[in-house]
Formats: sequence, structure tokens, C-alpha cells
Amino acid sequence: GAGVSQSPRYKVAKRGQDVALRCDPISGHVSLFWYQQALGQGPEFLTYFQNEAQLDKSGLPSDRFFAERPEGSVSTLKIQRTQQEDSAVYLCASSADTNTEAFFGQGTRLTVV
Amino acid sequence: GDSVTQMEGPVTLSEEAFLTINCTYTATGYPSLFWYVQYPGEGLQLLLKATKADDKGSNKGFEATYRKETTSFHLEKGSVQVSDSAVYFCAPKGAGGTSYGKLTFGQGTILTVHP
Repeated sequence: GAGVSQSPRYKVAKRGQDVALRCDPISGHVSLFWYQQALGQGPEFLTYFQNEAQLDKSGLPSDRFFAERPEGSVSTLKIQRTQQEDSAVYLCASSADTNTEAFFGQGTRLTVV
Repeated sequence: GDSVTQMEGPVTLSEEAFLTINCTYTATGYPSLFWYVQYPGEGLQLLLKATKADDKGSNKGFEATYRKETTSFHLEKGSVQVSDSAVYFCAPKGAGGTSYGKLTFGQGTILTVHP
């Protein structure tokens, strides 16, 4: 597609449920980032992939958060046993390489009830 | 790690007023600097960028100059429009080490422009 696509756009989960958020980056983009944006705040870095390799996961807030990009294209962010504090917009961004512009998807708004 | 201090909002202006949103940063190495904008109901979009000292990024009437000596990248526009109402984010982009080109965002500044 023309841009970064994320699905679903909205997700409501009951506390304790597992969720999976999908990101389709721009075709051919090597770098892929996940960010978490709480209400009224700026996006905060979660994790980074270069192709299929996860090179930095220092921003993942707990071991309930897991991300993968097995074939170096589509990426999935999984949150296990969701908690209310996980409610946020999860943004995915891709770029051709680390030196070029990052393009953002529309985000997935996760609400944990 | 990198950090950003952005002018607190919200900022409310009348149409055609002058806009300044201050941004200062701390970063290792020699980052590139970006302003992103988030219009209501839309995703983050790149507004402008500057990749080296004294560079001026510009787009849609907005400008920002990379000031290495003051570690600042203030956003300006001479005459704002109602359609500029949005949230603005300043973000340095890591230059090396473990930064991998990741962006560090400020908390965002909400701009509302009234007719």
C-alpha cells in the first residue's frame, strides 16, 4: 500500500485478555518502530526492528509486551494479560533506513476495561 | 538518553497571528531534528526537518532553524490559519550508538486558532 497500515484501528479488551496489534509497513522499508502514546502525551518508544531482527526492545514496559517481525515485513505487537494502564494509542512507523524519514500509521487505540 | 522540552500548551491564537513554539533538546551525537503534526482524528505527519546545524526546515509556511549552540529547534509561522489547529511535536532523531534513528518526542503542544 501507499502508507503504513495498522489494524485494528480500535480495540476494546477486558482486563486480563491478550491482544495482538498488526502493522503493515511501507513495502521495502527496513526499519520499523513501535511507539505508545498515552492520552495527552507524546509517543514513547517501545521497540525497533531492522528487517526481522529486533535490535532494541528497551522501551517495552513489561514482559507482558512482545513484538515480532518474522519475515522482515509485517509486525505484530502482542500484549498479554492486558491491564488498564495499557490503554493507549499504539503507533507503528517505518522508514527506508535509519537515516530517512519515518512514516507513521494511524495507530491502534486500545482501551482496557 | 535523548530528551525534549517543549513549550507547554495549549496555545490559543487568532487567525493571522504569529506563532512560536519553543523546543530544546538533549541528545548524544549529532541528531537530526523534526517537527511532527497531528491533526484531529489523523495520524502523525512530518511537518519539517533539519539535519545539520544552521539548517532551516520549512513547509506550509512553518519554519524552524537547527541551533546547535543552544540545542533548540523552535517552530515559527508568521500568520496562522484555522486549519493549523493541531498538536505539534518536536523530536530529535538519534544519530548513532543504540539510537537506530529512533525519534524522541516532546509532550506535544496543542494549538487552537480562532477565526
